[in-house]
Amino acid sequence: GIQVEQSPPDLILQEGANSTLRCNFSDSVNNLQWFHQIPWGQLINLFYIPSGTKQNGRLSATTVATERYSLLYISSSQTTDSGVYFCAVVVWNFNKFYFGSGTKLNVKP
Amino acid sequence: EPEVTQTPSHQVTQMGQEVILRCVPISNHLYFYWYRQILGQKVEFLVSFYNNEISEKSEIFDDQFSVERPDGSNFTLKIRSTKLEDSAMYFCASSEAQRVEAFFGQGTRLTVV
Repeated sequence: GIQVEQSPPDLILQEGANSTLRCNFSDSVNNLQWFHQIPWGQLINLFYIPSGTKQNGRLSATTVATERYSLLYISSSQTTDSGVYFCAVVVWNFNKFYFGSGTKLNVKP
Repeated sequence: EPEVTQTPSHQVTQMGQEVILRCVPISNHLYFYWYRQILGQKVEFLVSFYNNEISEKSEIFDDQFSVERPDGSNFTLKIRSTKLEDSAMYFCASSEAQRVEAFFGQGTRLTVV
């Protein structure tokens, strides 16, 4: 099956810092979503981004489908950004998500 | 904004008991899914459902599991005889069509004791 690798696995930031999270995938995809999860919490949709660039406030994402990666940018981080960020992809001819292992972000005040 | 809702938010059950997890997908969506997340691990696909039948299931989705759309709004996951290793967060999701944006519910945390 497809491999979805996220880096870094853990990230500690000081409030106000910027960060870039990466998601690499091993096959062509026709759907990619980024989610934010607090422990034992909901998977909150951040971006539906199979290709291109989107921005939503302090967050933005870019997917370069031909090179099989996606980036999530967090600017001016806040303590409420803490949690786990998951990348999930859907491969051509399938209709299910393959999730990465996540990046655990801890933003310190 | 429409959302996927799941009940209960947390359920504790004894090993061997049957549990039913409930989901109300977004009303105009046609595709429904269940995913599972064991504590500290990645989210795993269980099953997808379309047109009143299972369209795909993973190897995790064995004979102990079943899904049903008993009416026009609910979508349920039943675990017939729970095991300790079924303890996990269970997420329901729905989408308008295949391979488009999917929306996830807030999850049901199942604890088997």
